Amino acid sequence: AQSVTQLDSHVSVSEGTPVLLRCNYSSSYSPSLFWYVQHPNKGLQLLLKYTSAATLVKGINGFEAEFKKSETSFHLTKPSAHMSDAAEYFCVVSEFFLGNQFYFGTGTSLTVIP
Amino acid sequence: DVKVTQSSRYLVKRTGEKVFLECVQDMDHENMFWYRQDPGLGLRLIYFSYDVKMKEKGDIPEGYSVSREKKERFSLILESASTNQTSMYLCASSSTGETETQYFGPGTRLLVL
Repeated sequence: AQSVTQLDSHVSVSEGTPVLLRCNYSSSYSPSLFWYVQHPNKGLQLLLKYTSAATLVKGINGFEAEFKKSETSFHLTKPSAHMSDAAEYFCVVSEFFLGNQFYFGTGTSLTVIP
Repeated sequence: DVKVTQSSRYLVKRTGEKVFLECVQDMDHENMFWYRQDPGLGLRLIYFSYDVKMKEKGDIPEGYSVSREKKERFSLILESASTNQTSMYLCASSSTGETETQYFGPGTRLLVL
C-alpha cells in the first residue's frame, strides 16, 4: 500500500536559519514525489517534484529536496528561512500504475520566528 | 498560465440542503479530483474522474456524488448537507501520464449550520 508520513506536524525556525521538513513514503513501484505549499486561505502550489531523474531536486523559492530510495525519504530543505515561508507544506506521492492517483501526507505547519 | 477555478470561495448552507460545488479547468486535463481538507487530517480524496462521464470513488465518498458532463468541469454534490461536511474543499486537475502534476484551485470553505 502507498502511504506518506510527514514526521513533524509543526516546525518552528528562526528567520535566516535552515529549514528541514521530513517526509517518508512507502511505494510498490517507482513513485513520483512532490512537495506542495499552502499559504493561509489559498490553494496548493507546487514547490518541486521528483520524477526519476536527478535525485536532488530544486524547486521554487530556494527550496530543494533529495530523493533517497534506500531510506524511502524525500525531505524538504532550505538554507535560510524567510518570513514568507510560513505556511503548510504537504508531501505527496503518485504512482502511475495506480491510475495516477496522488497520496498526501497530513501536512507540516512551518512557523518562522523573526 | 494554468488555471483551476472554483465557483465559490466561501459558502454557508443549512443542514439538509443540496449543495453544488463547481470546478473548471482550462488546461484540457483528463483527470480531475475533489478533496476535502481538515486540520490534522491533510487532504482526503472524495472522488476523481479520468474522463468525461467517468467517476471513481476516493477514500471518503459517503455523502457525496459528482458529475462530469464536460471535460473542463467537475462538480461535487452534497445531496443533503450535514454539519460534519463543514470543511475546505479543494479541486485539482492533472494530465494523464507518469509524471504529471496536479494543479489546484483556490478552495471553497463550506460551513454547514
